[in-house]
Amino acid sequence: DSGVTQTPKHLITATGQRVTLRCSPRSGDLSVYWYQQSLDQGLQFLIQYYNGEERAKGNILERFSAQQFPDLHSELNLSSLELGDSALYFCASSVSWGIGEKLFFGSGTQLSVL
Amino acid sequence: GENVEQHPSTLSVQEGDSAVIKCTYSDSASNYFPWYKQELGKRPQLIIDIRSNVGEKKDQRIAVTLNKTAKHFSLHITETQPEDSAVYFCAATSDGSSNTGKLIFGQGTTLQVKP
Repeated sequence: DSGVTQTPKHLITATGQRVTLRCSPRSGDLSVYWYQQSLDQGLQFLIQYYNGEERAKGNILERFSAQQFPDLHSELNLSSLELGDSALYFCASSVSWGIGEKLFFGSGTQLSVL
Repeated sequence: GENVEQHPSTLSVQEGDSAVIKCTYSDSASNYFPWYKQELGKRPQLIIDIRSNVGEKKDQRIAVTLNKTAKHFSLHITETQPEDSAVYFCAATSDGSSNTGKLIFGQGTTLQVKP
């Protein structure tokens, strides 16, 4: 167990809908990262937050947004869902924000858009 | 931005043989290179990492080598066992100038160890 908690484990929804994925980092970790894993795309970096502020942005769609709350948990919001958004979404956390931080991954949320 | 290429995409070895997975990166400012193992349906788990001030690091049957001049690094698994079967991802730090912890991952190598 990495100490990173993600809920829900599975999510099934329809196209056009909006969902929220939740992540609680390891105790003491201030950075949260979101990754998308599709079968043909590997692990794609979406966004990083550090202590409530956006730190880095990857190839995150405009339909997607995220935030990190004062208690350090993070939420990834996916809206106007499309079939292609079906993927495994991972959250990871690290102690701080800079280069060389060890990232620890949660168990992921499997999103299926039908 | 950083780009990480990983080869091979699949690798099949006999139990007891060695396995080698290679990665190249594009950003010369990258200085942290972890390897993750992902079993089917599970989360990626950090198995070993290396920083740019070190050329090689070993942990039991696993070793990683880094060639900063050539911008490539490799994972070596010796005496492979069936439980080593998994997908292995290499990664590198990105955007050295902005100093974030984000990792850019290779496409993954599916390792199959045949008993």
